Amino acid sequence: KQEVTQIPAALSVPEGENLVLNCSFTDSAIYNLQWFRQDPGKGLTSLLLIQSSQREQTSGRLNASLDKSSGRSTLYIAASQPGDSATYLCAPQTGANNLFFGTGTRLTVIP
Amino acid sequence: GAGVSQTPSNKVTEKGKYVELRCDPISGHTALYWYRQSLGQGPEFLIYFQGTGAADDSGLPNDRFFAVRPEGSVSTLKIQRTERGDSAVYLCASSPTSGFGANVLTFGAGSRLTVL
Repeated sequence: KQEVTQIPAALSVPEGENLVLNCSFTDSAIYNLQWFRQDPGKGLTSLLLIQSSQREQTSGRLNASLDKSSGRSTLYIAASQPGDSATYLCAPQTGANNLFFGTGTRLTVIP
Repeated sequence: GAGVSQTPSNKVTEKGKYVELRCDPISGHTALYWYRQSLGQGPEFLIYFQGTGAADDSGLPNDRFFAVRPEGSVSTLKIQRTERGDSAVYLCASSPTSGFGANVLTFGAGSRLTVL
């Protein structure tokens, strides 16, 4: 079974800082990996999806990288804003019904 | 619809009662998934439908949990004799299985279940 670890579990930064969230997974036979955002009491919002053949994806201030062979992905957030405060979840997918989640990184951006 | 819709958004019930949670997937998405998220944890897989049939129900914790999708669209997750440990957010997702976006899941906002 895929095991997903996200480090750090919580992160607090002042507004404007760049930051990196880390994700590692044990089964490298994935065909994509998604990063999700979850606000308190809410569902999941997909931020970025990286196919297994890709190395990175960018959307605005977000950049996600994937190193499939080493089982790692990072989410880079540039120029953080208070509105970025949320929990970020990494989810590698190994099959149609095999999407596994980490426990997330809880980000707080301080104004 | 434009997104995955889940009802109710919040449900409070007493231990031992029966609960139904509904999911209305994106129109045309043949695959539908149920996940459960306990406090402080990531979502965990419960069951996956391909059309009307449950293709994989290996994540259902026990026989008190059951899900149906009789017409291949709306799905209902049913929990019998609820226990306090069933308290969680139940998330539904759907995806197409071919073409653009195949197997990319779109999640609903979830149904928060509290068992007193």
